Amino acid sequence: DADVTQTPRNRITKTGKRIMLECSQTKGHDRMYWYRQDPGLGLRLIYYSFDVKDINKGEISDGYSVSRQAQAKFSLSLESAIPNQTALYFCATSDPPPRAGELFFGEGSRLTVL
Amino acid sequence: AQSVTQLGSHVSVSEGALVLLRCNYSSSVPPYLFWYVQYPNQGLQLLLKYTTGATLVKGINGFEAEFKKSETSFHLTKPSAHMSDAAEYFCAVSGSDYKLSFGAGTTVTVRA
Repeated sequence: DADVTQTPRNRITKTGKRIMLECSQTKGHDRMYWYRQDPGLGLRLIYYSFDVKDINKGEISDGYSVSRQAQAKFSLSLESAIPNQTALYFCATSDPPPRAGELFFGEGSRLTVL
Repeated sequence: AQSVTQLGSHVSVSEGALVLLRCNYSSSVPPYLFWYVQYPNQGLQLLLKYTTGATLVKGINGFEAEFKKSETSFHLTKPSAHMSDAAEYFCAVSGSDYKLSFGAGTTVTVRA
């Protein structure tokens, strides 16, 4: 089994619908992240969490929210999906410094908003 | 703030030829630099990293990168390409806060 598991792997939805992407990990890491990947733009950080009681906005948090339900679980929600949120979403985990830059990624959740 | 620029969105090399992927960074603080690889339909995985110390860094699968402060560069090389090196490669930079900023990526194709 993968160390970082994302569900669903693929989702097609309509504008205005609420969507939740879930992430669970068996790495035992406290730090968890949500990134968005768009062609030609690389990865951009949406939200990150350093422990269960810590939630931080990344560079593109507008239109998204997160919940850290447990050390191992970090979910991303789109309250009212719009077409420009069509993208590949990645969850990642890491240790604290000095290894915090060594991210472990899930296999991604491809979201299409029609 | 930190940012990276990857020169060339696509690189095509022959099997056995040198792989050279270019990355230039901008950082107002001493940078931490990373290269990640993404194989088709997979998440990213770390190839190598530079934080402090030796400026020539060796990673997995025969890749290495050299930190050149005077050139603000962190280019990735592999002496001899293999078909399995076909993937997308991302350069990333952070400060000591480890909030990574990724480049746009370079797709490598390997010709037989």
